[in-house]
Amino acid sequence: DTGVSQNPRHKITKRGQNVTFRCDPISEHNRLYWYRQTLGQGPEFLTYFQNEAQLEKSRLLSDRFSAERPKGSFSTLEIQRTEQGDSAMYLCASSLYGGSVNTEAFFGQGTRLTVV
Amino acid sequence: AQKITQTQPGMFVQEKEAVTLDCTYDTSDQSYGLFWYKQPSSGEMIFLIYQGSYDEQNATEGRYSLNFQKARKSANLVISASQLGDSAMYFCAMIRSQAGTALIFGKGTTLSVSS
Repeated sequence: DTGVSQNPRHKITKRGQNVTFRCDPISEHNRLYWYRQTLGQGPEFLTYFQNEAQLEKSRLLSDRFSAERPKGSFSTLEIQRTEQGDSAMYLCASSLYGGSVNTEAFFGQGTRLTVV
Repeated sequence: AQKITQTQPGMFVQEKEAVTLDCTYDTSDQSYGLFWYKQPSSGEMIFLIYQGSYDEQNATEGRYSLNFQKARKSANLVISASQLGDSAMYFCAMIRSQAGTALIFGKGTTLSVSS
């Protein structure tokens, strides 16, 4: 296992189209996070899963955004009816949570979305 | 609600000098963890150092140390002997101990190291 993998690395789409991103976490990790990062800003939390359960969603996650982690392994993030404001880097991270806060999150290299 | 504040948008330092990147946090929890990540221009987020709220000693990892002052709610990152490769964005982040919480980041500090 070489780490968190995200696909695609880059995506250019026309406004109004739907896009889907995939994240493959480190295999033994039970937590998977999605973040959005715009230029010069810190990552903004979108949602996270523990195994297949989606435990928390940010209010940033509008109804056009949906995330799944059907078998507790890989996850997908779908954006419907994309808008130019959705242009950002979408980061996925995973960690092994065992009841302690000492859970370093490992990040993928991100998917850069450009909506034209 | 949790909040991470990084007040230095940019810092400049010469090679071999030490630099301190500031981070303050706000939480009502007693148990939490504090992290620092580095993000080079290539975009990947690299974990640097972790401090638990109950850890009595400041965390150290090689040239990185975390100056943890619990009463002041600060968790500053100290980089000793800066190197050109340290030029990057640095993010402070926090996680609460309770289940159902996520890692929350500050806005970051850009560090530029010159020769």
